[in-house]
Amino acid sequence: DVKVTQSSRYLVKRTGEKVFLECVQDMDHENMFWYRQDPGLGLRLIYFSYDVKMKEKGDIPEGYSVSREKKERFSLILESASTNQTSMYLCASSAGYLRGSPLHFGNGTRLTVT
Amino acid sequence: AQTVTQSQPEMSVQEAETVTLSCTYDTSESDYYLFWYKQPPSRQMILVIRQEAYKQQNATENRFSVNFQKAAKSFSLKISDSQLGDAAMYFCAYRSAETSGSRLTFGEGTQLTVNP
Repeated sequence: DVKVTQSSRYLVKRTGEKVFLECVQDMDHENMFWYRQDPGLGLRLIYFSYDVKMKEKGDIPEGYSVSREKKERFSLILESASTNQTSMYLCASSAGYLRGSPLHFGNGTRLTVT
Repeated sequence: AQTVTQSQPEMSVQEAETVTLSCTYDTSESDYYLFWYKQPPSRQMILVIRQEAYKQQNATENRFSVNFQKAAKSFSLKISDSQLGDAAMYFCAYRSAETSGSRLTFGEGTQLTVNP
């Protein structure tokens, strides 16, 4: 089974702090994704990466950046956390070579910015 | 850009009965995939079922089946013989097969309650 691991299940940070959310997958997947989940809005794509050191903006990239230095690890960075970034963050991965391959998700990080 | 709409924020069903969750999407593409994911209170997103747009036959996975109407851009999920463990948030999602990358676009979600 594919395992996608997010480093923290719950995180509380202060406004203005730099926040790192880490995600690791163990299936050698090419594609990795960061989504944000909010009630009534579903999942919205922040950033994704289809190869090491490659990244593309999703639908809501403002206030976020990402890093992918190794194939198995994809980090989401909040440069200066704000209260409107309080949310559930979900990391996912998928095999790039498989047509129609589904996304495999981590358990999520619930981030609270105070 | 593609959009996915789930018009039912909440649904409920009696145990052992059947429930249908609705999903519509908007796209100009002809080649794509559709998914239903389930998110129980544990927060783990679980793939329930997948449908390829080029396949006429509706996908089925045990008690879960879909009604895929390509012309109407509708993709509903039917859960038969509902069980307490089916209680979860359900998300419909779209993936293009024509553009690069494999991002999914999700709907707003439907919270399903199963009553004993």
